[in-house]
Amino acid sequence: DGGITQSPKYLFRKEGQNVTLSCEQNLNHDAMYWYRQDPGQGLRLIYYSQIVNDFQKGDIAEGYSVSREKKESFPLTVTSAQKNPTAFYLCASTSGDILAKNIQYFGAGTRLSVL
Amino acid sequence: RKEVEQDPGPFNVPEGATVAFNCTYSNSASQSFFWYRQDCRKEPKLLMSVYSSGNEDGRFTAQLNRASQYISLLIRDSKLSDSATYLCVVRSYGGATNKLIFGTGTLLAVQP
Repeated sequence: DGGITQSPKYLFRKEGQNVTLSCEQNLNHDAMYWYRQDPGQGLRLIYYSQIVNDFQKGDIAEGYSVSREKKESFPLTVTSAQKNPTAFYLCASTSGDILAKNIQYFGAGTRLSVL
Repeated sequence: RKEVEQDPGPFNVPEGATVAFNCTYSNSASQSFFWYRQDCRKEPKLLMSVYSSGNEDGRFTAQLNRASQYISLLIRDSKLSDSATYLCVVRSYGGATNKLIFGTGTLLAVQP
């Protein structure tokens, strides 16, 4: 089945630790995105990538890093510089097809908590 | 002012009721509009796109008013399974291609 796979589903981070969230898609989508969702808030864009080996900061990129070495993969690292990492992290992707390019499809998300 | 604003609810309605949600957006140059549905602790899923002429999908009707910069979603004959958070989503103009702005969501609880 085509889709977006995020792992792990739950992740715990210790103080001062970097952790990496995985996002893989087999939809052959060009663009991929990382969002953060906090209770009572809308999704906020962390980073996005429209093409392999290129990515751009979103609205809340501080304390995060990404890479896009392969079309199907867009991992997100939550660094120790992110002081409030507890949130629900969602990865999304978009087709390059002009009729469908505005529609984002989401993975099931990763819940990150601080120990 | 937030770029996309929604009434957070909750909207508590009995089964069979008709319920309407509104959403306002601040950027008059916004291009595309959507309603997403998000179940508790799950990812958002596209419910429907919103077209200028209005569009309907079964019990769901979406409308866009560009002059007043608001979007609406009407749900007729509510089912228990409609209970979820409904996210209003607007594509911003300029900057990132396909950058979407999400509202905080409106919580719907359909009661038996």
